[in-house]
Amino acid sequence: DAKTTQPPSMDCAEGRAANLPCNHSTISGNEYVYWYRQIHSQGPQYIIHGLKNNETNEMASLIITEDRKSSTLILPHATLRDTAVYYCILMGDDYKLSFGAGTTVTVRA
Amino acid sequence: SAVISQKPSRDICQRGTSLTIQCQVDSQVTMMFWYRQQPGQSLTLIATANQGSEATYESGFVIDKFPISRPNLTFSTLTVSNMSPEDSSIYLCSVELGAGSAYEQYFGPGTRLTVT
Repeated sequence: DAKTTQPPSMDCAEGRAANLPCNHSTISGNEYVYWYRQIHSQGPQYIIHGLKNNETNEMASLIITEDRKSSTLILPHATLRDTAVYYCILMGDDYKLSFGAGTTVTVRA
Repeated sequence: SAVISQKPSRDICQRGTSLTIQCQVDSQVTMMFWYRQQPGQSLTLIATANQGSEATYESGFVIDKFPISRPNLTFSTLTVSNMSPEDSSIYLCSVELGAGSAYEQYFGPGTRLTVT
């Protein structure tokens, strides 16, 4: 069973920031929060990950709450190409990724 | 990052036959993973393949049905044996890069299998 909870879907406007929430209330101290996305008919694409500090890269920002029980992925300027299923995943020492249902994000012009 | 290729990209097979899927990566990696994605579903881990050791299978997957080879640090194969229509899925391999806080996992493009 996936250890994260995400909304099944969300829409956002092109050019606006997209904020994707994820709850992981049972996260362990050694588990990282990973985000992947899967554009239709492609393999999942790594976006970003973090342990407890906020992280930013060229694709997105990851905000993790202080108690680490939830996080938010931020796509700063969504484009139509960001339409995809986004997965929030916890990974521990076994290096295994357990995919849940994810959030289907639709970016609209 | 890593460049991962899979062959074939898609295939249509008859029930009762077997298909071997190849996964090639452009750098040496210790751990490779095989996933299945059934139609409309999320990804499910089948097994972890480390070079030089037997693959480790997840609950619900067995070696007789999904034998895996890992002959070197850049290549792996997954065989789907004695196929039935329920095996129609996308099969993906992934590789690990980095370790600890720098760990990332990269995925191949997938093999779309249809069993008739």
